[in-house]
Amino acid sequence: RKEVEQDPGPFNVPEGATVAFNCTYSNSASQSFFWYRQDCRKEPKLLMSVYSSGNEDGRFTAQLNRASQYISLLIRDSKLSDSATYLCAVKYEYKLSFGAGTTVTVRA
Amino acid sequence: GAVVSQHPSRVICKSGTSVKIECRSLDFQATTMFWYRQFPKKSLMLMATSNEGSKATYEQGVEKDKFLINHASLTLSTLTVTSAHPEDSSFYICSASREGTTDYGYTFGSGTRLTVV
Repeated sequence: RKEVEQDPGPFNVPEGATVAFNCTYSNSASQSFFWYRQDCRKEPKLLMSVYSSGNEDGRFTAQLNRASQYISLLIRDSKLSDSATYLCAVKYEYKLSFGAGTTVTVRA
Repeated sequence: GAVVSQHPSRVICKSGTSVKIECRSLDFQATTMFWYRQFPKKSLMLMATSNEGSKATYEQGVEKDKFLINHASLTLSTLTVTSAHPEDSSFYICSASREGTTDYGYTFGSGTRLTVV
């Protein structure tokens, strides 16, 4: 079983729609959780950390469910500029493990 | 904010040659740097962890004699792909951990796209 798994998508949504997707992780001792955004042929950039109580950053909401070992990302009021691949990352000790990414395409 | 610079951004080399990739932390001291490789539509795979002044720790399946890592200072780590072959063509990305900060994830360099012909 992979350490971190994501639905690859793609999720094709119209502008203004809400899109949500999950990421599961296998190590129950994982300590920190993140969502990164990666544009085509670029490096990942940190979108947000994910906290136990859930957290929101503008149109983005992240949730953590430790019991079921998954994290989620919800994007409200999608913009064209939200089109990207979203990588979840899970940290245990010093190591950051990534999922393969979920591709989101927002269309006009 | 934390900035990590990676060079070169793109390199094409002939099979059998060696390529060196540099990763620098510009505004902070990075006691630990990480090297990842990413194949198209795949996740970033951690290759090795380098600590300043000591030998790198390689992940299972990564050949340490092929991927030489040097972390000679708190701001510079290098990855040398020795005797490169076409199957080594990939996107290589470094990231750095800023000592003493709270956990906000790691900062990535801009990546190096290696093509071996």
